[in-house]
Amino acid sequence: GAGVSQSPRYKVTKRGQDVALRCDPISGHVSLYWYRQALGQGPEFLTYFNYEAQQDKSGLPNDRFSAERPEGSISTLTIQRTEQRDSAMYRCASSSTGFSYEQYFGPGTRLTVT
Amino acid sequence: AQSVAQPEDQVNVAEGNPLTVKCTYSVSGNPYLFWYVQYPNRGLQFLLKYITGDNLVKGSYGFEAEFNKSQTSFHLKKPSALVSDSALYFCAVRLYNTDKLIFGTGTRLQVFP
Repeated sequence: GAGVSQSPRYKVTKRGQDVALRCDPISGHVSLYWYRQALGQGPEFLTYFNYEAQQDKSGLPNDRFSAERPEGSISTLTIQRTEQRDSAMYRCASSSTGFSYEQYFGPGTRLTVT
Repeated sequence: AQSVAQPEDQVNVAEGNPLTVKCTYSVSGNPYLFWYVQYPNRGLQFLLKYITGDNLVKGSYGFEAEFNKSQTSFHLKKPSALVSDSALYFCAVRLYNTDKLIFGTGTRLQVFP
């Protein structure tokens, strides 16, 4: 079946603009995760959902970042008033629920803030 | 603090030779350990995991990893490397009472023909 998809794959925006990044998880996966990956680094946890409930948002850097998953499927990560330091690869992953299940990652959205 | 360390930025190995990519962790409680591989312009792909049971775990593409509790290590291994194994490899740990993964900084594996 289809894997995790993300859109757009690339986004260039000007400083101060808002951006919305979309993630479509694997069908039937209960859990959805957002990570940010800087160049040369491993992915860094941002937030995650079980169904539509946001379980942990401790990794969101500040209140300009928010995420939602209103119907328990597609999720949107929104960054308001973007800054150059927000430039990174944003990765989404999904999994079945439970600690032993691996997460499956999408191709990522490369965000560049100019 | 919980952390994962990959001490080598790059590992070079000749095709046909065995390879090892090192990973050590520091967590409280029982760790769930994972290896992922990232090919250029692709997402991270799951390779294998240790949850419980046998310390030697077998995964995709002929890779295996050995969990060593006393040394807090989870090294990735393959008996005979292929040029196509060249990629960026990430070790990750998930704690028993959380759902988030903590990743290492990655190790670039270069396999030479």
